[in-house]
Amino acid sequence: DAGITQSPRHKVTETGTPVTLRCHQTENHRYMYWYRQDPGHGLRLIHYSYGVKDTDKGEVSDGYSVSRSKTEDFLLTLESATSSQTSVYFCATSDGGTAAYEQYFGPGTRLTVT
Amino acid sequence: AQKITQTQPGMFVQEKEAVTLDCTYDTSDPSYGLFWYKQPSSGEMIFLIYQGSYDQQNATEGRYSLNFQKARKSANLVISASQLGDSAMYFCAMRGGGGSNYKLTFGKGTLLTVNP
Repeated sequence: DAGITQSPRHKVTETGTPVTLRCHQTENHRYMYWYRQDPGHGLRLIHYSYGVKDTDKGEVSDGYSVSRSKTEDFLLTLESATSSQTSVYFCATSDGGTAAYEQYFGPGTRLTVT
Repeated sequence: AQKITQTQPGMFVQEKEAVTLDCTYDTSDPSYGLFWYKQPSSGEMIFLIYQGSYDQQNATEGRYSLNFQKARKSANLVISASQLGDSAMYFCAMRGGGGSNYKLTFGKGTLLTVNP
């Protein structure tokens, strides 16, 4: 398994505050992803990165920004948290080599916005 | 746009029996891939099996097999000889071609309960 950690694992914050979630990988994978998981919706892609400083939007990117200054770290920022952003956030990575499409997931971060 | 549909919110199966979890997909890409992931109650996402659109044979991994019917756009997961530890949420997912090659679109999931 890819070594993927997420921090914090749990967070409670107030509406209107900025929040940053961190994903760290030790596998030197090129691609990194942020998903959110909500009941009845499965996992939905927020943003992804295809290299250092190369990022793009996913399906539900409004209210989120990302940064990737090093291969191993991918940060997700909620610029001004809202109650609708209460969710479980998963980071994932993939190698991106030929036919290596499998994504490895981190343990998830449970975020509650009050 | 890609779409994954899992029509079974919940399924029940007796221990040691086989079970099929349904997944249909929609895409205009000629090259794509289909995945199944397992999410137990502990929350982690576990990769189970992958099928590429050009693969000639259905994928198998131990007790898991993927029944790929390209013309019908279905990619059902078959679990043989169910075990209590198979109780979990199961997600079907798809990657597209071209610029979507490394992004996954997930279905809403099927909650499988294995009864003793």
